Parts: sequence; C-alpha cells; structure tokens
Amino acid sequence: DIQMTQSPSSLSASVGDRITITCRASQSISNYLIWYQQKPGKAPKVLIYAASSLQGGVPSRFSGSGSGTDFTLTISGLQPEDFATYYCQQSYSTPLTFGGGTKVEIK
Amino acid sequence: QVQLVQSGSELKKPGASVKISCKASGYTFTRYTMNWVRQAPGQGLEWMGWINTNTGNPAYAQDFTGRFVFSLDTSVSTAYLQITSLKAEDTAVYYCVRKGGDYPDYWGQGTLVTVSS
Repeated sequence: DIQMTQSPSSLSASVGDRITITCRASQSISNYLIWYQQKPGKAPKVLIYAASSLQGGVPSRFSGSGSGTDFTLTISGLQPEDFATYYCQQSYSTPLTFGGGTKVEIK
Repeated sequence: QVQLVQSGSELKKPGASVKISCKASGYTFTRYTMNWVRQAPGQGLEWMGWINTNTGNPAYAQDFTGRFVFSLDTSVSTAYLQITSLKAEDTAVYYCVRKGGDYPDYWGQGTLVTVSS
C-alpha cells in the first residue's frame, strides 16, 4: 500500500497569511494526487486534482504543485472561511490512501 | 447537477446490521465507480473500497473485508453499503464518493452510524 504522510498535522495562521501543507507519498504516484478541504460536520470538498488542477468553483488563492512523491498545497492570502482540515489522497493505485490531515487554525 | 444523497443517521446495537444507501442523480450512474470512505469521530479518512457500477463487482480494502458489503440497484441509481455484526468501533460517518476517471470528485453528505448498547 502507498503511505501518504502529511505535514504539519496542525498549524496556526492569521488571515492574509500564505501557508503551505506538504504531502509525501511512499512511492511515486506521478500526479495522481487530490487535495480536499473539510469543515466540521461536512463532507470533504475537492480543491485540487491531478496535483495542480483547480477544481471548478475553487478560489484561485488555492494552488497545488508537485509530482512523483512530493506535493504541496498552498493557500495565498488565508481567508476566514479557509480555517478547516485539509487532506491529500492518492488515486494512483488501490487502496486509495489518504494523508493524516492538517488542521488549520486561527492564530 | 451531480448529487449523491445518502440515507439518514442510524443507531444500532452491537451485533446488528445496517444498510446505508447512496442515491445518485445528475449523471449516468453506470459510467462512474462508487467508492466508500469511513471517518471515525475526530479521526481522518479511510478508503473502504469501491464497486464497479457497470459489472457490480466490488473491491474491498484490507481492513474492510468480511463484514462490509457493497451492492447496487442500477434501476434506481443507488449504491448500498451493508455492515453486519456491528461493533462499537464501527461508529463513524460513512461517505459514498463518485470516482470519475482517475480522480474522485463528488461526495455524498455522509451517514452517521452509531453503535451502542
């Protein structure tokens, strides 16, 4: 199974900050990487697919990069509605494993 | 528009069974696989497996073999997750997730299953 390691597990930031979340795969997954945002009591929402493609309707302050084993999600200009938990998932091979999540909290 | 609407919350006793439904609309049901994801309270996301909506063939992640069954009723564009011999540790929110091509895209709203005596 491919292990997905996300870091950090949590971070505190202020509105307007630029933050970066990292996801590392235990083997190459090409660009088969999805980033999700989840708010309490809600289903995860796709932000980025294919490592760097922005899902329709997602603000352009979200961006993704990487290929192979190392990936990043960047939020440029954090907004109040961005405080949530973020997950990565690989869709390269089954089981489609998730990272452990990154909780973004208000400083 | 694509929608996945899941059945409501369930409260079950240990040893009982539960069957959750996921009704799809807004697309051709058999053109996309349906995946299932579990999220225990306060925990992360676990991919449980998927079912080929064309053939009905399921595939389960290692931790979800034996008591977990994926099924379909294509006549009503609905996928089902049945869990038998429920345990307290099955308490979680269960999500159905459409996988279009190489990437999951649409999620159901989730179904909370609580197992308690």
